[in-house]
Amino acid sequence: EAGVAQSPRYKIIEKRQSVAFWCNPISGHATLYWYQQILGQGPKLLIQFQNNGVVDDSQLPKDRFSAERLKGVDSTLKIQPAKLEDSAVYLCASSDASGLSYEQYFGPGTRLTVT
Amino acid sequence: GDSVTQMEGPVTLSEEAFLTINCTYTATGYPSLFWYVQYPGEGLQLLLKATKADDKGSNKGFEATYRKETTSFHLEKGSVQVSDSAVYFCALSEYPGGYNKLIFGAGTRLAVHP
Repeated sequence: EAGVAQSPRYKIIEKRQSVAFWCNPISGHATLYWYQQILGQGPKLLIQFQNNGVVDDSQLPKDRFSAERLKGVDSTLKIQPAKLEDSAVYLCASSDASGLSYEQYFGPGTRLTVT
Repeated sequence: GDSVTQMEGPVTLSEEAFLTINCTYTATGYPSLFWYVQYPGEGLQLLLKATKADDKGSNKGFEATYRKETTSFHLEKGSVQVSDSAVYFCALSEYPGGYNKLIFGAGTRLAVHP
């Protein structure tokens, strides 16, 4: 079974530029998560989708971050404009929405450096 | 709000030494508890979990017991190997159903030397 795929793996941009990250979850997983992991900290949830609807985006900085999940499969996270403090690893995870499994499967992440 | 606190690293051990990584949590309800591991260059992987008080999660020689009275979920292994070198994250989820938002600790880096 293929795991969660993310691209790109690394990205370097200047502040005030825009950037987009892509995630392809495990086939059949209805729930998709984006986490931000700043160096030296644990991952923090940015947004959670159930199919193509948003369940939780309370910690998403909506003035600059946006995310979508068209057709309930792939998802894109965008930052526009980027700030220095956005430098982090962006992790995508997916899980089976059956309610019986607690496990989230994580992708390898995208490391963003804002200069 | 809910939170997780883990011991700071790095933890440096010799092969075959005993490992303990402390984790305590604050939660308003009855969370499920998890340990995730991140090997160099790889994504987070679930190591073990416990869903109610006194449950013991175990996997690959690692164990952790859900202690409600001390709000703790300490990770232990009797004899570590070089291949156990990684960053370990303690996490909780308040929602036992499908909406399982995870709250993570800051992570503890483990380095095991031959």
